[in-house]
Amino acid sequence: EPEVTQTPSHQVTQMGQEVILRCVPISNHLYFYWYRQILGQKVEFLVSFYNNEISEKSEIFDDQFSVERPDGSNFTLKIRSTKLEDSAMYFCASRGTSGGPNTGELFFGEGSRLTVL
Amino acid sequence: GENVEQHPSTLSVQEGDSAVIKCTYSDSASNYFPWYKQELGKGPQLIIDIRSNVGEKKDQRIAVTLNKTAKHFSLHITETQPEDSAVYFCAASINSGAGSYQLTFGKGTKLSVIP
Repeated sequence: EPEVTQTPSHQVTQMGQEVILRCVPISNHLYFYWYRQILGQKVEFLVSFYNNEISEKSEIFDDQFSVERPDGSNFTLKIRSTKLEDSAMYFCASRGTSGGPNTGELFFGEGSRLTVL
Repeated sequence: GENVEQHPSTLSVQEGDSAVIKCTYSDSASNYFPWYKQELGKGPQLIIDIRSNVGEKKDQRIAVTLNKTAKHFSLHITETQPEDSAVYFCAASINSGAGSYQLTFGKGTKLSVIP
């Protein structure tokens, strides 16, 4: 069964350092997403990406965050200068197009746990 | 924006009993309501979903109901088994145009099925 894969599974970094989280979405999917989950809290939307550009982003996704699809298979989330409050599990997700633009199953990866010290 | 409330936060049931988890949403424009199961150390996995043009959907032991007027939807698991133990999240999608698909999640319900 096709799956979304994420690396690293866990990253520890110092406050102020740059972090890049990587994702390989399901190969025939066209829509890509990043969500995050602070420990014990709900899963929160960060950003959606389609046709090589951001289609929607939340208030959390400020200028410190950026996304990129550098080579047609990877989808990355970069945090330029990490803060303590960026510590969370970051989930990548992808979606095909069946059922129309606002339907269709979102497939999540297993997450990358970011710990900022 | 959309706000999704989920109750209860924890739920313990005896194996074989039913479990019900309830969610409410605020944005009447939401038209897609998935339920996700998250096992320890894993990402959320879709278990069932419902769209606003139907009131109920069933898949074996799992069913979901939707009341658009009251803006609430519920997950029903019958004949619970220990492997049903996990955190369950409801979500709602905001109808914000082609290509975008922002899910707003509830806070989750930790279901424990006691053998």
